[in-house]
Order: sequence, then C-alpha cells, then structure tokens
Amino acid sequence: DAKTTQPPSMDCAEGRAANLPCNHSTISGNEYVYWYRQIHSQGPQYIIHGLKNNETNEMASLIITEDRKSSTLILPHATLRDTAVYYCIARANTGNQFYFGTGTSLTVIP
Amino acid sequence: GAVVSQHPSWVICKSGTSVKIECRSLDFQATTMFWYRQFPKQSLMLMATSNEGSKATYEQGVEKDKFLINHASLTLSTLTVTSAHPEDSSFYICSAGRTGEGEKLFFGSGTQLSVL
Repeated sequence: DAKTTQPPSMDCAEGRAANLPCNHSTISGNEYVYWYRQIHSQGPQYIIHGLKNNETNEMASLIITEDRKSSTLILPHATLRDTAVYYCIARANTGNQFYFGTGTSLTVIP
Repeated sequence: GAVVSQHPSWVICKSGTSVKIECRSLDFQATTMFWYRQFPKQSLMLMATSNEGSKATYEQGVEKDKFLINHASLTLSTLTVTSAHPEDSSFYICSAGRTGEGEKLFFGSGTQLSVL
C-alpha cells in the first residue's frame, strides 16, 4: 500500500473550515484514500474514503487531485469536538493490511 | 452501520499472567481482522492479521508466541497476551471490515492493558 505523508499538527478556529492535506504520490490505481480520526483513548473513527472522485458525507468532504497524488480532507465548520488525530491511509482491498502513518493532530481553538 | 465490539475496555493484571481480548463483528462476517497496539502519543502499529480458519500473519518484530491470535469464527477473533509483563502495557485495538475492494474498516473501542 502507498505511503502517505501528513503535517504533524494543525490549528483551526472554531466554526471555520479545517483543511487537512495528505500526500500519497506513490498511490496505485486501485488504491482508495481513507480518512480516519482518533480521539484520545478511543478506537479510530471512519470519516470518508474515495478512489478518484471527490466525495462528501455528513462529516466531511474529500478532495482528490486529478493525478491522485494528494488529497485534502475538509471539515466545513470545525467544532471543539473535532479536535483529534486525523489519519490518511491508502489501501486497495479489505484483505490488505491497513497501516497508519503518524497523522495530523488537529486542534480546534475556541 | 457495521459495528466492531471489543471487550474488555480495560484490564489490569499481574505480571506473568495471561490476558484475553475479544473482538467481534456484530452485523457482518469478517474473514480478516486486524490487531493493533498503540503506545502513548504514538500512532497505531499493526501487530497481526487474523484470518478465519487459518494461522494469523504477524508483522515483523511481533512475537507470535507472545501474542496468540485465534479467529475461530467469522465474527470473533481473540488476542491473548501470554505471560504479560509491564512492557506489554498498551492500548490494543482490533478492526474488521466486509470483504471487497473499497470497503471500509471498522475499529473497536480499544482495550487498555496495564500490567503491574
């Protein structure tokens, strides 16, 4: 599975959009981009995933560049409860191992 | 939605004893489950892949005799930490997902193990 690179930390003002970047320049054509987040002492929570097209759900939007070498997770209106570590993972199939990188620690500031 | 249940949430044990952690997929069958370990302020580290009906696949550096994995059914995988020592104290997390391309993984709530 492709390795992903994320900034170690980011801050965002409450109510503003949080844009979390992820680089996956070695991603293969059949690998999806997944985003999870982890709040302290809990299991990771699924946010969103996509292959080529941009995706949106009730939690977030996922913007994938046309060459698929990078993506951005957008939390449209960040709240204090969005403070967490966000992980971007590239993976092809559920049978494949799911490796976590170091993620981005997002702090939403009042 | 799909849910993965993990039990217990926390456990304290004496050094030298064994501890079993259960991971269940509640509304789908999981031929593959994954076990992770997480130390404070670090990312999740994959320990092993649990395969229903066959032996688990361990990541490099993970002792298979230390961390016994049993995946006896399509909805249950167990991780047993044998002869636990204080350095085994960690947060253990399991995950599972439906089979298929592009399917998402669901994670348990984790088990905090403290070995005295």
